[in-house]
Amino acid sequence: GAVVSQHPSRVICKSGTSVKIECRSLDFQATTMFWYRQFPKQSLMLMATSNEGSKATYEQGVEKDKFLINHASLTLSTLTVTSAHPEDSSFYICSARSPTSGGAGGTDTQYFGPGTRLTVL
Amino acid sequence: SQKIEQNSEALNIQEGKTATLTCNYTNYSPAYLQWYRQDPGRGPVFLLLIRENEKEKRKERLKVTFDTTLKQSLFHITASQPADSATYLCALYSGGYQKVTFGTGTKLQVIP
Repeated sequence: GAVVSQHPSRVICKSGTSVKIECRSLDFQATTMFWYRQFPKQSLMLMATSNEGSKATYEQGVEKDKFLINHASLTLSTLTVTSAHPEDSSFYICSARSPTSGGAGGTDTQYFGPGTRLTVL
Repeated sequence: SQKIEQNSEALNIQEGKTATLTCNYTNYSPAYLQWYRQDPGRGPVFLLLIRENEKEKRKERLKVTFDTTLKQSLFHITASQPADSATYLCALYSGGYQKVTFGTGTKLQVIP
């Protein structure tokens, strides 16, 4: 259980174009999804937290007008990179928070999608 | 400032031996700690979670310890196999920050 898919897995685009990445939780409903970016040999950096039906919460330094996030349903969140530039080339990974599991206080286990490799020429 | 440190150097071990990976943190009071496996070009895969009031957790060949006094977690893979070769990430959830923060990961190479 707890499968998260991402589409596309790989995208190459020209500078100035916009790219949309989809993240779906396939077998559970996710009220919260997360978007990360990972540069080579670096850790995952949280970009934003996406809550179903409300505006995303962006981390400091992440431009909300450039990285548009929509979480329209309990199983789908989208990240749109607008006016992409070569410096936006990276590995983008989404995750979905599964329903709390076991024990008082709950936990925050996140299940990750397979990632999207974005290359901006 | 908050910091999560994992050994950035790759760890090479012989097949069949026990691999031990370290995660140290400073300026955190994590409610729980998680370990993930990440293969090249793929998203992380959840392995184990250990809470602040737990000392040790096991799952098949995996064992995690959590010492909140030392501010350290150890991740062990016993009877290691070449298929265990991957990057292993630790992640801390701090209730005060309401989010999970990842370490940079340690690359494990199991040599046949």
